[in-house]
Amino acid sequence: EAGVTQFPSHSVIEKGQTVTLRCDPISGHDNLYWYRRVMGKEIKFLLHFVKESKQDESGMPNNRFLAERTGGTYSTLKVQPAELEDSGVYFCASSQGKSWDREGYTFGSGTRLTVV
Amino acid sequence: GNSVTQMEGPVTLSEEAFLTINCTYTATGYPSLFWYVQYPGEGLQLLLKATKADDKGSNKGFEATYRKETTSFHLEKGSVQVSDSAVYFCALSVSQAAGNKLTFGGGTRVLVKP
Repeated sequence: EAGVTQFPSHSVIEKGQTVTLRCDPISGHDNLYWYRRVMGKEIKFLLHFVKESKQDESGMPNNRFLAERTGGTYSTLKVQPAELEDSGVYFCASSQGKSWDREGYTFGSGTRLTVV
Repeated sequence: GNSVTQMEGPVTLSEEAFLTINCTYTATGYPSLFWYVQYPGEGLQLLLKATKADDKGSNKGFEATYRKETTSFHLEKGSVQVSDSAVYFCALSVSQAAGNKLTFGGGTRVLVKP
């Protein structure tokens, strides 16, 4: 079974540019989560999709961030325009069902974003 | 709100040494507690978990006990190996109608030298 896949693994962009991160969850997983770790600090929740719907987007930092999940499959996270403080590692995770205490999350390897 | 505090690293120790990483939490409700590990170049992996007070999670020689009275979930391993070098994250989750998002600590980098 393929795991959670994130593209690209690294991205270096200039301030003011646009970057789109992609996450392919495990096939059949309805729940998809985005997290990020900025400046080596704690990993913070960004948002949660159930299929194609945003279930909880309370962690999205501002309106420069736009997340989509077309058809309830893969998800994209767009940052436009990027700022220096957006640099960090962006993680995606997926799970099946709400009983995730038993099933847990599966995380991707993350996308390291550097804004210069 | 919910928060997790864990000891800052890096923690450097020799092979076969005893490892402890402290983790304390603040939570509304009754959280489940987790330790995740990130090996170099890889994603986050669930190491162990405990879902109620006094439960002990264990995996790969690591253990952590859910202590409600001290709001702690310290990670321990009796004899570390070089392959245990990684970043360890303590986390909690409180079940909500909107889903189970995780609250993480800042991570502790562990380096085991041969």
